[in-house]
Amino acid sequence: EIVMTQSPATLSVSPGERATLSCRASQSVSSNLAWYQQKPGQAPRLLIYGASTRATGIPARFSGSGSGTEFTLTISSLQSEDFAVYYCQQYNNWPLFGQGTKLEIK
Amino acid sequence: EVQLVESGGGLVKPGGSLRLSCAASGFTFSSYSMNWVRQAPGKGLEWVSSISSSSSYIYYADSVKGRFTISRDNAKNSLYLQMNSLRAEDTAVYYCARMNGYSSDWGQGTLVTVSS
Repeated sequence: EIVMTQSPATLSVSPGERATLSCRASQSVSSNLAWYQQKPGQAPRLLIYGASTRATGIPARFSGSGSGTEFTLTISSLQSEDFAVYYCQQYNNWPLFGQGTKLEIK
Repeated sequence: EVQLVESGGGLVKPGGSLRLSCAASGFTFSSYSMNWVRQAPGKGLEWVSSISSSSSYIYYADSVKGRFTISRDNAKNSLYLQMNSLRAEDTAVYYCARMNGYSSDWGQGTLVTVSS
């Protein structure tokens, strides 16, 4: 059974700085990896699919990289609206989410 | 515009049953696999169940297998989740999601609370 592990659990970053979030799969999921953003009281919002393809309408400051077991979501210059919880999800077989990284204002 | 609207949530006692519905619009419902994903209060996202476009393939998370049943009515553009033998740990917001592996379209969710 695949396990998805996100790190860190909480990341404190100042507006305008870069944020790097990690997601690790316990076995290869190829590039079948998506990233979502979720704000309180809202449904998740798709950011990235195929490990590195931005979804429609997602700003260029969001980028994804990686393949196999190691993945990264980078937000190049944090805006106030980017502070939220981020989840990775593999879809190599059943959908499986990581436990989330909370991105908070430093 | 894609719209997914869940309904049917509420308060139910342990051991009870509930049926969730999801009304879809803005896309050809019969062409897409659909999923239920849940989120317990203050916790992360958990995939619950998937159903293929023609209902030929159905999958469940181990945590709900044997208790929950997913179904769909393509003529009514609707997705359902029949939940039986509910437990306290099933308390969550249940989201309907259009998924092709990943999902760009989610409903607003419906809250299910299992408590005596």
